[in-house]
Amino acid sequence: GQNIDQPTEMTATEGAIVQINCTYQTSGFNGLFWYQQHAGEAPTFLSYNVLDGLEEKGRFSSFLSRSKGYSYLLLKELQMKDSASYLCAVKDKAAGNKLTFGGGTRVLVKP
Amino acid sequence: DTEVTQTPKHLVMGMTNKKSLKCEQHMGHRAMYWYKQKAKKPPELMFVYSYEKLSINESVPSRFSPECPNSSLLNLHLHALQPEDSALYLCASSQDPTGAEAFFGQGTRLTVV
Repeated sequence: GQNIDQPTEMTATEGAIVQINCTYQTSGFNGLFWYQQHAGEAPTFLSYNVLDGLEEKGRFSSFLSRSKGYSYLLLKELQMKDSASYLCAVKDKAAGNKLTFGGGTRVLVKP
Repeated sequence: DTEVTQTPKHLVMGMTNKKSLKCEQHMGHRAMYWYKQKAKKPPELMFVYSYEKLSINESVPSRFSPECPNSSLLNLHLHALQPEDSALYLCASSQDPTGAEAFFGQGTRLTVV
């Protein structure tokens, strides 16, 4: 089975940086994904890591350490529209490559 | 076209009704998924279709019946649902089962009364 943990909620100020951590345990790791989901909307893809290191995409970066079972999503220059849930998800090839989501981290950006 | 389209957007049904949720994508993706999402919870995988064949069924009750008529369409047939089945039902697709990116539809908000 899989165990994916991330904090439930974080609050940050507009213009600041927030780091959302995700730890996982899986038998056949085959990639880690971050999705953003605004209330009442579908998740939208943010990033994908399958090798160790940092992937940068504009204001968003994602880091992976496979040996530690750890990832983080870094959001820089926070904007009000970044208030959303951020979902960490892991693909497990030992389970038919199914994508399993963590509980999500609700980020609230304050002015 | 990078969209996954789901219909209807909202559905209210009685416990004795039969209804279907529909999902369509024209990205040539060969893996399609049904997820169920309750309020303030993450999406939970229900079914995976890979190359139009059911590859994963996450022990979903038989009152949910998936169907993949062709590579672009995915249906979820509903019958004799319970009020606790009320949720957002999300369809997603990816290039193949190992695909790095899954695109989600906007979901169908289902209420069972």
